[in-house]
Amino acid sequence: GAVVSQHPSWVICKSGTSVKIECRSLDFQATTMFWYRQFPKQSLMLMATSNEGSKATYEQGVEKDKFLINHASLTLSTLTVTSAHPEDSSFYICSAPQVRSNQPQHFGDGTRLSIL
Amino acid sequence: GESVGLHLPTLSVQEGDNSIINCAYSNSASDYFIWYKQESGKGPQFIIDIRSNMDKRQGQRVTVLLNKTVKHLSLQIAATQPGDSAVYFCAENPSGTSYDKVIFGPGTSLSVIP
Repeated sequence: GAVVSQHPSWVICKSGTSVKIECRSLDFQATTMFWYRQFPKQSLMLMATSNEGSKATYEQGVEKDKFLINHASLTLSTLTVTSAHPEDSSFYICSAPQVRSNQPQHFGDGTRLSIL
Repeated sequence: GESVGLHLPTLSVQEGDNSIINCAYSNSASDYFIWYKQESGKGPQFIIDIRSNMDKRQGQRVTVLLNKTVKHLSLQIAATQPGDSAVYFCAENPSGTSYDKVIFGPGTSLSVIP
């Protein structure tokens, strides 16, 4: 079945570092991908919609200059957390619906980001 | 703004019993709902979905009920097993299309007692 893969699965880095997270659709094309953030014992909150070949759409309250999104191909979207600080530590999850499919969208297994 | 919420944040169930997880939604225009299961350290896993033109849908050991009158959704798990222990989210797709963004409710943690 359709699979969405995220890389890395976890990352620990120092405050001030920029971190890139990849989201790939492994056997299908995705013109749109979604990025969510989840804090411990909380729900998933939508951060932005990644659109292939165009600018991402950010949800209210999400800083676009802080969370850079690039969707350069039909199978890859990247989220870069720029100048990360401890409050950016979270579980970042992407999802991707299949083009021309009525199937529910598929979620990656998330990236655990810890900023020291 | 519009949101999807749950009545119970935690639920403990004896193995073999049936589980019922409830969800209230506020957007009366919503017509597509999904239940997800999330195990620790993993992404959400699709369980079952339902559209507003239905009031019940069954899967393998799971049933989703939709009451549009009171804007209530429930997930029933039959013969609950230890492997069912996880956090369950109801989610709403505002546009009604499976390829659009999904808004998650706060979640219910299900613990199965062996």
